[in-house]
Amino acid sequence: DIQMTQSPSVLSASVGDRVTLSCKASQNINKNLDWYQQKLGEAPKLLIYFTNNLQTGIPSRFSGSGSGTDYTLTISSLQPEDVATYFCFQYNSGYTFGAGTKLELK
Amino acid sequence: QVQLKESGPGLVQPSQTLSLTCTVSGFSLTSNSVSWVRQPPGKGLEWMGAIWSGGSTDYNSALKSRLSISRDTSKSQVFLKMNSLQTEDTAIYFCTSDYFDYWGQGVMVTVSS
Repeated sequence: DIQMTQSPSVLSASVGDRVTLSCKASQNINKNLDWYQQKLGEAPKLLIYFTNNLQTGIPSRFSGSGSGTDYTLTISSLQPEDVATYFCFQYNSGYTFGAGTKLELK
Repeated sequence: QVQLKESGPGLVQPSQTLSLTCTVSGFSLTSNSVSWVRQPPGKGLEWMGAIWSGGSTDYNSALKSRLSISRDTSKSQVFLKMNSLQTEDTAIYFCTSDYFDYWGQGVMVTVSS
């Protein structure tokens, strides 16, 4: 089974900061990776699909990149409403979520 | 407009069977798949399994022996049944569409005597 490791587990940042979240797969996942945002008490929301494609309605400050085993979600200018937990999700072989990165305001 | 809604008992006794229903609207189960994903309190997400548009199923290997997913296309409903429940199965259970772009609100299931 493919394992997904997210880092850091918790990230504190200030409004306006550029924020980078990482996700590492245990083997090549051929860009078959999505990013989800989950706010407290809500269902996950799809932000980015197939590594770097912005889901409809998601602000352009969110972007994704990566290849092989290493992937990144970037928020170009952090906003208060971005406080949430972010999960990566691979579907190259089976389906596996990362453990999440909790994003907090400093 | 695509919508999914989970329903089922909030409390299940240990060793019993969990039965959940996902009622969908805005799309056809014969053209789209539905997956089940769960989340223990304060923890991460776990893909449980899926029923594909043709009716075949796939399951998480860790749950395969206890899990069954089926559907009634005429009622636009997908069913999850999982037996031999233990306290570690306490979680919010979500159903989600094809590309995980639409999710239900989730249903909290507590396994306790």
